[in-house]
Amino acid sequence: GQNIDQPTEMTATEGAIVQINCTYQTSGFNGLFWYQQHAGEAPTFLSYNVLDGLEEKGRFSSFLSRSKGYSYLLLKELQMKDSASYLCAVSHAYSGAGSYQLTFGKGTKLSVIP
Amino acid sequence: EAGVTQFPSHSVIEKGQTVTLRCDPISGHDNLYWYRRVMGKEIKFLLHFVKESKQDESGMPNNRFLAERTGGTYSTLKVQPAELEDSGVYFCASSQLWGQFFGPGTRLTVL
Repeated sequence: GQNIDQPTEMTATEGAIVQINCTYQTSGFNGLFWYQQHAGEAPTFLSYNVLDGLEEKGRFSSFLSRSKGYSYLLLKELQMKDSASYLCAVSHAYSGAGSYQLTFGKGTKLSVIP
Repeated sequence: EAGVTQFPSHSVIEKGQTVTLRCDPISGHDNLYWYRRVMGKEIKFLLHFVKESKQDESGMPNNRFLAERTGGTYSTLKVQPAELEDSGVYFCASSQLWGQFFGPGTRLTVL
C-alpha cells in the first residue's frame, strides 16, 4: 500500500523561511510532486523530483531522498499570499508516457503571519 | 492556453438522485484523471483515461460511479444513485508527458 505523511498545520512569519516535510512508503515510485492549493481552488503544480537532490525554482525548492522516503518543500522570503495548503503527492507509473496516478498526503496548511 | 475546466462548480442533490460532472482537459492532453477529496481526508485517485480508453479504474468506489470519455476529449463522471458518503470535491486533472494539471473541482453535496 501507499502511505504519505506530512504535518497538518504550520505557521511562519512573513519574510522567513519554512520547510514542509513529507515522508512516504510506496511501491512503484516514479517521482514526487508538490502542489499548492488555496481554499476552493485547483491544486497548482509547484515542483517535481524524480532523482535525489535539490530542485530550486525561485523562492521554492524541493528536496528528495529516495532511500529515506523523504522530501521537503522549502519556501523562502515568505509572503502573505503563500498561505495555503501544500500537498505532497507520490507518482506511480504503470504504462506509457504520462500514464501514472498520484497518491496524495493530507496536505499541510501553512499560515503566514505578519 | 486554457486550463482544465470543470462543470458545475457546485452541486447539491438529494440522496438517490443522479448527478453528472463534466471535465474538459487541456487541449491535446491524452491523459485525463479523476480524483476525489472527501472532507477531512486526502485527495484520492478514482480513474485514468488515455484518450477514450480507461487505463485504470481501480479507485472507483463502486458501480454507482460511471466515467466516460467518448471521443477522447471531455469526460463525464456520473453518480447514480447518489449516497450521503459521495459528498466531497471531485477533481479532474490532465497531462501529456508529465505534471498533472488540475481543474478547480466540483463540490458535490448529497443531502
